[in-house]
Amino acid sequence: GNSVTQMEGPVTLSEEAFLTINCTYTATGYPSLFWYVQYPGEGLQLLLKATKADDKGSNKGFEATYRKETTSFHLEKGSVQVSDSAVYFCALRSNNNDMRFGAGTRLTVKP
Amino acid sequence: EAQVTQNPRYLITVTGKKLTVTCSQNMNHEYMSWYRQDPGLGLRQIYYSMNVEVTDKGDVPEGYKVSRKEKRNFPLILESPSPNQTSLYFCASSLTGTGHGYTFGSGTRLTVV
Repeated sequence: GNSVTQMEGPVTLSEEAFLTINCTYTATGYPSLFWYVQYPGEGLQLLLKATKADDKGSNKGFEATYRKETTSFHLEKGSVQVSDSAVYFCALRSNNNDMRFGAGTRLTVKP
Repeated sequence: EAQVTQNPRYLITVTGKKLTVTCSQNMNHEYMSWYRQDPGLGLRQIYYSMNVEVTDKGDVPEGYKVSRKEKRNFPLILESPSPNQTSLYFCASSLTGTGHGYTFGSGTRLTVV
């Protein structure tokens, strides 16, 4: 079945550091890929998405590129801020409308 | 404002006392779903609905019921709650189709004692 694997956390970075959170997927067909962010005490929010191979999703300085050849969708940000501290979830949505989530990666950014 | 509204946000109840968690969306989305989030287990789907009167089981449906009588509402019913249903619950909705992301509610933290 379809599944998503993302790097285990927690990840702790200093402010202005470069962020990468790895995500790989297994899927049949042509899924869309997503990153969601969950701030403390809140629901998940859609951060960015890509719907086909080689698409790049971007939002709020975060980017991820849909790589079909490596079945990956790694999340990157060039310079993190304290306000980026949250849990990040990689997800895929397949043809049957099912959304599969990774386990989540907790990011803490220290001033 | 486009949103998914869940109520209540927090609930403490006793074993066996029936409860309902409501979920309502104002975006005319066909697809709605319930998840539970537990430490170390991530998000697990309980039930989903592709449209009015169409519901189906997710990965962990045991002990839960849902209904979809109207497009905007998708309540989660626990007929006889047990302590292992203590969890953080999220409702989500979306348009149908792989390219659409979910809009999540703010969550309901349920404790069953």
